[in-house]
Amino acid sequence: LAKTTQPISMDSYEGQEVNITCSHNNIATNDYITWYQQFPSQGPRFIIQGYKTKVTNEVASLFIPADRKSSTLSLPRVSLSDTAVYYCLVGVGGYQKVTFGTGTKLQVIP
Amino acid sequence: SQTIHQWPATLVQPVGSPLSLECTVEGTSNPNLYWYRQAAGRGLQLLFYSVGIGQISSEVPQNLSASRPQDRQFILSSKKLLLSDSGFYLCAWKGSGRGDEQFFGPGTRLTVL
Repeated sequence: LAKTTQPISMDSYEGQEVNITCSHNNIATNDYITWYQQFPSQGPRFIIQGYKTKVTNEVASLFIPADRKSSTLSLPRVSLSDTAVYYCLVGVGGYQKVTFGTGTKLQVIP
Repeated sequence: SQTIHQWPATLVQPVGSPLSLECTVEGTSNPNLYWYRQAAGRGLQLLFYSVGIGQISSEVPQNLSASRPQDRQFILSSKKLLLSDSGFYLCAWKGSGRGDEQFFGPGTRLTVL
């Protein structure tokens, strides 16, 4: 099973770029890497997904090295509203069963 | 567009009472459906998932059960609630493709007293 490991928490000042790294040493060949954001009392929300190299959208960038054993979510110029828990997901037991790790609690400081 | 509904939004129940939480999805067919629970300050725990009507996979043995009587309806039940059942219950759906993302409902806050 592709278990993920992320830092439990991170602090950042407003306006800085934040990079959150996730380790997934046992990622399977067909697994995608997906990141979600969760605010208190809400369900997680999809941020970005990738398979290899780099993916960028209007919210974030996702960097995946060639061996795919880790990935880095990059949030440019964070604001207070980016304070949330960020989850890294990799296919576990196939693409039907979706499990979340403990996530990274990002606190943005004014 | 697809939408996902959960009700009730909040629920306060005594220990030993039954539970029924309902989740419905609109705008898609044959979705994968999921029930998660989140204790205060903790991550999401996968409870059940379903890939089709009547097909339920249980991830955590406990006093909860799930049913999928219709393609877009997912129900979480308990015959007797425990204090430890308190938490935030989230329903989610996902397409059947490998790279499809999950979409979450608004959640139900359950307090067992």
